Amino acid sequence: SQQGEEDPQALSIQEGENATMNCSYKTSINNLQWYRQNSGRGLVHLILIRSNEREKHSGRLRVTLDTSKKSSSLLITASRAADTASYFCATAHSGNTPLVFGKGTRLSVIA
Amino acid sequence: EAQVTQNPRYLITVTGKKLTVTCSQNMNHEYMSWYRQDPGLGLRQIYYSMNVEVTDKGDVPEGYKVSRKEKRNFPLILESPSPNQTSLYFCASSSLGTLKSPLHFGNGTRLTVT
Repeated sequence: SQQGEEDPQALSIQEGENATMNCSYKTSINNLQWYRQNSGRGLVHLILIRSNEREKHSGRLRVTLDTSKKSSSLLITASRAADTASYFCATAHSGNTPLVFGKGTRLSVIA
Repeated sequence: EAQVTQNPRYLITVTGKKLTVTCSQNMNHEYMSWYRQDPGLGLRQIYYSMNVEVTDKGDVPEGYKVSRKEKRNFPLILESPSPNQTSLYFCASSSLGTLKSPLHFGNGTRLTVT
């Protein structure tokens, strides 16, 4: 399976702390995307990083990609209670194959 | 407002009673897809469509049908629902296929089959 694997499965932190989530995958990618899902709602796209990029920023989000290790990390700095959600990585592979989603990391930010 | 709209939001039905979950997007996207989400299994793709009249099976197509007669609509059909199809379903779309564009998701349809 090409499915990405997020780590950890669940993470609980205090408001103001940084949260780091990791994603590993098995086969080469065209790009990797991170999504957020609030409880029971649709996923929302956060950031896309291409295979030739190593780092990308968007507001309080920082994504890194290490293609040699087939892994990516999502860092949320200065977390807020509103960041409580599940976070998924999704990998895009060659050709017209669809995105493959991991099982997600459940983040709880405690005020 | 750009959006993907699914209906209904919640649906309870009985085994064997045909149902359709509708999905519509107003962004003129070529690509549309259906996923189901189950605890511990993450998101699994059911069917996808690269354009009108073009559909392909995803990872878990058994028990489902789709059609893409118009660009904006991509209904999911369960001809004879069974309890193992109880799940949270999401429709998603993107403009240039998944290699280039992020997916826009609907708000989900929670289906219970008794």
